[in-house]
Amino acid sequence: DAKTTQPTSMDCAEGRAANLPCNHSTISGNEYVYWYRQIHSQGPQYIIHGLKNNETNEMASLIITEDRKSSTLILPHATLRDTAVYYCIVIMGYKLSFGAGTTVTVRA
Amino acid sequence: DVKVTQSSRYLVKRTGEKVFLECVQDMDHENMFWYRQDPGLGLRLIYFSYDVKMKEKGDIPEGYSVSREKKERFSLILESASTNQTSMYLCASSSYIPLGARDEQYFGPGTRLTVT
Repeated sequence: DAKTTQPTSMDCAEGRAANLPCNHSTISGNEYVYWYRQIHSQGPQYIIHGLKNNETNEMASLIITEDRKSSTLILPHATLRDTAVYYCIVIMGYKLSFGAGTTVTVRA
Repeated sequence: DVKVTQSSRYLVKRTGEKVFLECVQDMDHENMFWYRQDPGLGLRLIYFSYDVKMKEKGDIPEGYSVSREKKERFSLILESASTNQTSMYLCASSSYIPLGARDEQYFGPGTRLTVT
């Protein structure tokens, strides 16, 4: 599975959009981009995934560049409950492997 | 609402004890997983089961075994607990999709195991 690079941490104001970048320059054609998050002391939670096209669900939007070498997770209206570690994963198959992720802190 | 439950949130065991961690899912999922999560090492797959009585080793199976006698239940067994097995253990489940990549995994709350 391709390696991903994310910023270590970022702050966001409550009510504003949070844009979380992820680089995956070695992604191969059949690998998907997945995003999970983990709130302190809880199990990871699936957010969204995509292959080529941009995706949106009730939680977030995923923007994947045309060359697929990077992507951005957008939380449209961040709330205090969105404070968590966010993991970007590139995967083909079932084996999840989280790195350090991005620690997102939403401030009132 | 989908649910994966784990038998304990916190567990303290002594070195050499046999430890059972239980996981139950109510989504009729075919696949179940056991991971451990450690600071600086991230999330690592221990074992995976794709059907009742079927299992596959993950990246770090040494010192662990698993059991899946019923579809909804997947057990992780530490035959003789050691201090380096102190960790957060996470169970997950997902539905079966042949190409594998499009099924999100649903996680339980985790069991924080301390071996002294």
